[in-house]
Amino acid sequence: GENVEQHPSTLSVQEGDSAVIKCTYSDSASNYFPWYKQELGKRPQLIIDIRSNVGEKKDQRIAVTLNKTAKHFSLHITETQPEDSAVYFCADQGAGNMLTFGGGTRLMVKP
Amino acid sequence: DTGVSQDPRHKITKRGQNVTFRCDPISEHNRLYWYRQTLGQGPEFLTYFQNEAQLEKSRLLSDRFSAERPKGSFSTLEIQRTEQGDSAMYLCASTHSSGREETQYFGPGTRLLVL
Repeated sequence: GENVEQHPSTLSVQEGDSAVIKCTYSDSASNYFPWYKQELGKRPQLIIDIRSNVGEKKDQRIAVTLNKTAKHFSLHITETQPEDSAVYFCADQGAGNMLTFGGGTRLMVKP
Repeated sequence: DTGVSQDPRHKITKRGQNVTFRCDPISEHNRLYWYRQTLGQGPEFLTYFQNEAQLEKSRLLSDRFSAERPKGSFSTLEIQRTEQGDSAMYLCASTHSSGREETQYFGPGTRLLVL
């Protein structure tokens, strides 16, 4: 993609609450949107992804929604746990094969 | 370990020196990507290979950077005449392409510090 904006940059929630992270993209050719979780000093790990022919995808406590018309997609984490604390990155894959990442959201789940 | 591996994990060098990093992708993955990540930022694309062919390079990849994947398996990224601004985490990712929307699996990265 060309540009991916991610908000908020930091998010603090109480254990058990929900967390929502939002991203917008600009490349009309983007059709694949992965979310990665990165713990301190570790590699980014894919947690969920969505393709453009789907509006929503859910995997246990994690869900992603996609609005192609508005060019935005969101990550929803329910019943947050302390081990969910990490930096989360959204990304899109546009006309090329590379991923363009957002700036990241530092999620802190307070016990 | 069948995941993406990178070597070395850490590298400290003096400005002006050359450094080379290696990435071993997941076996059978034909696409290999290099990204750079600075502190507090998301990874930024540098270049990628399909088999041994280097198909795309970012504007971030100056003339001092060169990458190879000679046999379509492991890849090396060399930085010549390093500068302090090269200090970053260099991440490698791989995927098996059967179309365009494939999951990229990342390695642990090589953290470079240029003094």
